[in-house]
Amino acid sequence: AQSVTQLDSHVSVSEGTPVLLRCNYSSSYSPSLFWYVQHPNKGLQLLLKYTSAATLVKGINGFEAEFKKSETSFHLTKPSAHMSDAAEYFCVVSEEPSNTGKLIFGQGTTLQVKP
Amino acid sequence: SAVISQKPSRDICQRGTSLTIQCQVDSQVTMMFWYRQQPGQSLTLIATANQGSEATYESGFVIDKFPISRPNLTFSTLTVSNMSPEDSSIYLCSVARLAGVSYEQYFGPGTRLTVT
Repeated sequence: AQSVTQLDSHVSVSEGTPVLLRCNYSSSYSPSLFWYVQHPNKGLQLLLKYTSAATLVKGINGFEAEFKKSETSFHLTKPSAHMSDAAEYFCVVSEEPSNTGKLIFGQGTTLQVKP
Repeated sequence: SAVISQKPSRDICQRGTSLTIQCQVDSQVTMMFWYRQQPGQSLTLIATANQGSEATYESGFVIDKFPISRPNLTFSTLTVSNMSPEDSSIYLCSVARLAGVSYEQYFGPGTRLTVT
């Protein structure tokens, strides 16, 4: 069965410094992986997705993630944090191989951005 | 993408009562889901809402507690029955659309339920 583990429940960075949110996955198949962001009192927004094409995936708002099969990782990065990046981030894997559209969520990482 | 609306956006309910949450999508979709997000937690899938047939529930969720309707391809309801304080959560509906070789899932804004 697929699963994802977000290695940090809370990450704090200063504005203008790099962001790294770590995610490891477990899957017997070639997975589809996603990062979603949830701002306070707002809905979930898709940041980016990996679906076996390029291993470096670029998303919205300057975020990107790299799929590393050898490390079973899909870490989310951003070169320079902005105050508006403060939110909850979820690493997500799609259920396979039935391709049901179902998603399995990690526990989430809270990103705090300090001025 | 998809534009999804939910009603109500929030509610405070007394234990023992039931609340029905509505989810409306701006276009027809095959796959629609209901999730629960308990305070400070991640999202857990409750069920897949199937158009024209009974919903498919995940382990730990039953139809008597969370009856779901899906009368057409743009609308679904989730009822939280005989509520207790443990049901206090955000309930989200989502839809999945095929994008390339995989599905992309879009979420509604959620319904924040507090049970007293």
